[in-house]
Amino acid sequence: GAVVSQHPSWVICKSGTSVKIECRSLDFQATTMFWYRQFPKQSLMLMATSNEGSKATYEQGVEKDKFLINHASLTLSTLTVTSAHPEDSSFYICSATRRNNQPQHFGDGTRLSIL
Amino acid sequence: AQKVTQAQTEISVVEKEDVTLDCVYETRDTTYYLFWYKQPPSGELVFLIRRNSFDEQNEISGRYSWNFQKSTSSFNFTITASQVVDSAVYFCALSEAASGGSNYKLTFGKGTLLTVNP
Repeated sequence: GAVVSQHPSWVICKSGTSVKIECRSLDFQATTMFWYRQFPKQSLMLMATSNEGSKATYEQGVEKDKFLINHASLTLSTLTVTSAHPEDSSFYICSATRRNNQPQHFGDGTRLSIL
Repeated sequence: AQKVTQAQTEISVVEKEDVTLDCVYETRDTTYYLFWYKQPPSGELVFLIRRNSFDEQNEISGRYSWNFQKSTSSFNFTITASQVVDSAVYFCALSEAASGGSNYKLTFGKGTLLTVNP
């Protein structure tokens, strides 16, 4: 089945640090990747939609300059949390899909803890 | 706007019991997709099923079955003879074309925490 790899799985860092999270589709070309955020015991909230070679589309209320998304190839998208603060601590999870209306396949997520 | 409601926040059952997880959705689109995902304690999301809005046939996969009823906008999920390994958070999700574009965005329900006790 489709495999999506997300790295790192766990990050603990100091406030003010920028953190980059990678999302790779291992056995298929992902035309679209999605980034979600999940607070403890809550649902997944879509942050942005990323199409290869174009700018990401951010959901309302998500700061573009805070959460930088790059989708440079059909197998890799990155999310950079710039100047992270404790309130950015969360579980970040990406998904990838081959093309529109196909099921999204999710990475294992990244637990980000900002001290 | 699309919305997914999972009214059951937590369910606790004893192993071998059957359990049904409810999902009710709202959408104005005639073409949409419904999904169920499983999120075990380790955090990853596991895809279970996708159903399109034109296919109301119920589906069975091993101990899992799904009941899609457009008349009540529901897409319920039943686990038969539950096992401890079924313990997880289960999310129902709805996907429809994003306005102005062709990306299909997922809207998740709040999830149901299922605990299966031995």
